Amino acid sequence: DAGITQSPRYKITETGRQVTLMCHQTWSHSYMFWYRQDLGHGLRLIYYSAAADITDKGEVPDGYVVSRSKTENFPLTLESATRSQTSVYFCASSDTYSNQPQHFGDGTRLSIL
Amino acid sequence: AQRVTQPEKLLSVFKGAPVELKCNYSYSGSPELFWYVQYSRQRLQLLLRHISRESIKGFTADLNKGETSFHLKKPFAQEEDSAMYYCALRGGTSYGKLTFGQGTILTVHP
Repeated sequence: DAGITQSPRYKITETGRQVTLMCHQTWSHSYMFWYRQDLGHGLRLIYYSAAADITDKGEVPDGYVVSRSKTENFPLTLESATRSQTSVYFCASSDTYSNQPQHFGDGTRLSIL
Repeated sequence: AQRVTQPEKLLSVFKGAPVELKCNYSYSGSPELFWYVQYSRQRLQLLLRHISRESIKGFTADLNKGETSFHLKKPFAQEEDSAMYYCALRGGTSYGKLTFGQGTILTVHP
């Protein structure tokens, strides 16, 4: 599914730095999601968005900020990175919530030193 | 609240053997259940969803509302089935959000 892309694929940064992970989808899907993947926890929802300018917290939102000024973009920002935020981050989108599955990006592997 | 439990973190079988990946859920309404697969360092891909009642790559899964389970089964495992498998639930009023289980790493030995 080339319709959803994440950048960068890999990122190394230091504690306290701000870092932004990008997510772009070309399907004009209404819903977009950010998950983090950690062993033993599976995927946990950080934030989601039902449409442009509509966002809400997921299960683990602390330390993260999102925005959605355009339907196709849903950036995730770590305002002051901490080591506990070292993870693999996946962006996903879906057309509607009724019966359509979510489509995932390739993920961003983020390491915070 | 909705919850998904995959009791096995690791599952190893030999090629040709049957495999069953367990998934139990907790949800008060009528859930949508999915299985996603993630091959090594790749993105998650949808494998199955219960409303489709289809078989993909030889895998099937039946929603058992009485036992609140959605186990994934394949009669004859192949080496290329080795991957991480996630069971996921979407509730009717959850704005499309998925709740994932912890995942099961399946290894199929030759």
